[in-house]
Amino acid sequence: QKEVEQDPGPLSVPEGAIVSLNCTYSNSAFQYFMWYRQYSRKGPELLMYTYSSGNKEDGRFTAQVDKSSKYISLFIRDSQPSDSATYLCAIRDTGGFKTIFGAGTRLFVKA
Amino acid sequence: NAGVTQTPKFRVLKTGQSMTLLCAQDMNHEYMYWYRQDPGMGLRLIHYSVGEGTTAKGEVPDGYNVSRLKKQNFLLGLESAAPSQTSVYFCASARDSTDTQYFGPGTRLTVL
Repeated sequence: QKEVEQDPGPLSVPEGAIVSLNCTYSNSAFQYFMWYRQYSRKGPELLMYTYSSGNKEDGRFTAQVDKSSKYISLFIRDSQPSDSATYLCAIRDTGGFKTIFGAGTRLFVKA
Repeated sequence: NAGVTQTPKFRVLKTGQSMTLLCAQDMNHEYMYWYRQDPGMGLRLIHYSVGEGTTAKGEVPDGYNVSRLKKQNFLLGLESAAPSQTSVYFCASARDSTDTQYFGPGTRLTVL
């Protein structure tokens, strides 16, 4: 069993839609949760970072963590064509010595 | 600031050839990482360094060697390339183990 599971998609939505991206993880030792965005042929860039259960909002993006279910989500409101990218979830243990990345979900937002 | 840069951007090797990938960062970061990214596998850590002169193995170190002779540079070497090493290689750096990792643009390597 992979430590982080992420649906690879692709996910195709119309402009303006609400997008929901999800990951599950297996080890409760992981306490830090991140979402990276990766445009085609570019390196990943950090989008959201959180370490507690609940929601964290940043503009059109909301990261949600449910530690009891080991489930993390990223919501994108009013999606734009410029949001078309691959989104990777990542989890990290308390000591910061181990970061595990999901395989990434490819998102296409159609104008 | 250029951030994290990687050289070269693309490379094609024949089986058995050797090469070195160079990563450079200008953020004075202590930690540096080498990952490979393959379809459906996500990013997997090859080697990392917690400071100048140090290196450590990650999840998939076999077939690779690294060196961190200068704080700003982290080199990844392939002594005898194999087709299984065809991948996109990313370098990243961070201030410390709990800091955000900043990624370079990647090197696309094909081994024939």
